[in-house]
Amino acid sequence: DAGITQSPRHKVTETGTPVTLRCHQTENHRYMYWYRQDPGHGLRLIHYSYGVKDTDKGEVSDGYSVSRSKTEDFLLTLESATSSQTSVYFCAISELGELFFGEGSRLTVL
Amino acid sequence: QQQVKQSPQSLIVQKGGISIINCAYENTAFDYFPWYQQFPGKGPALLIAIRPDVSEKKEGRFTISFNKSAKQFSLHIMDSQPGDSATYFCAASAVTGGGNKLTFGTGTQLKVEL
Repeated sequence: DAGITQSPRHKVTETGTPVTLRCHQTENHRYMYWYRQDPGHGLRLIHYSYGVKDTDKGEVSDGYSVSRSKTEDFLLTLESATSSQTSVYFCAISELGELFFGEGSRLTVL
Repeated sequence: QQQVKQSPQSLIVQKGGISIINCAYENTAFDYFPWYQQFPGKGPALLIAIRPDVSEKKEGRFTISFNKSAKQFSLHIMDSQPGDSATYFCAASAVTGGGNKLTFGTGTQLKVEL
């Protein structure tokens, strides 16, 4: 398995609170991605990174921000969580080709 | 705006049968078409992928058929087994210097019955 660790794996929070999800890789891959998975929508790209401090928006970036201060870490922040952000969040890494996914972080916003 | 449309949403197949999942795409710039397999509680994992310069790719019991003119591709699972029961996602991307930003279909939940 690719060396990808997501934390926390499960989180329950309340509307309006900030939340940060962490993705840590040991593969030294250049590209990192955050996707959310929802029934009926498949996986949708939130943000991605193509290097340290280099990030860009994906398809569903509203309400989310990211940071990458080190090659191995990619953080996803929900500044003020809403119920519509209840989802399973997956981090992925790649070097141009195949994407390798982490095991996901299940977030519930009450 | 669903750039990759996947069907069926769910599929039940008898052990030993053929499972077929279809996808259609809109963006003609797409040049990489993978299929991912996901088991409950796990992240998706690459199953097989194809590029548009070939019409078919086979790996073991799994085959991708690709029709560039129709902008469609499909996954065939031969001799389906209960262990194949999972959710399958097609995806597409235009691989550029900006990485591989996959656009996924909505998924097909496959159940293989004994």
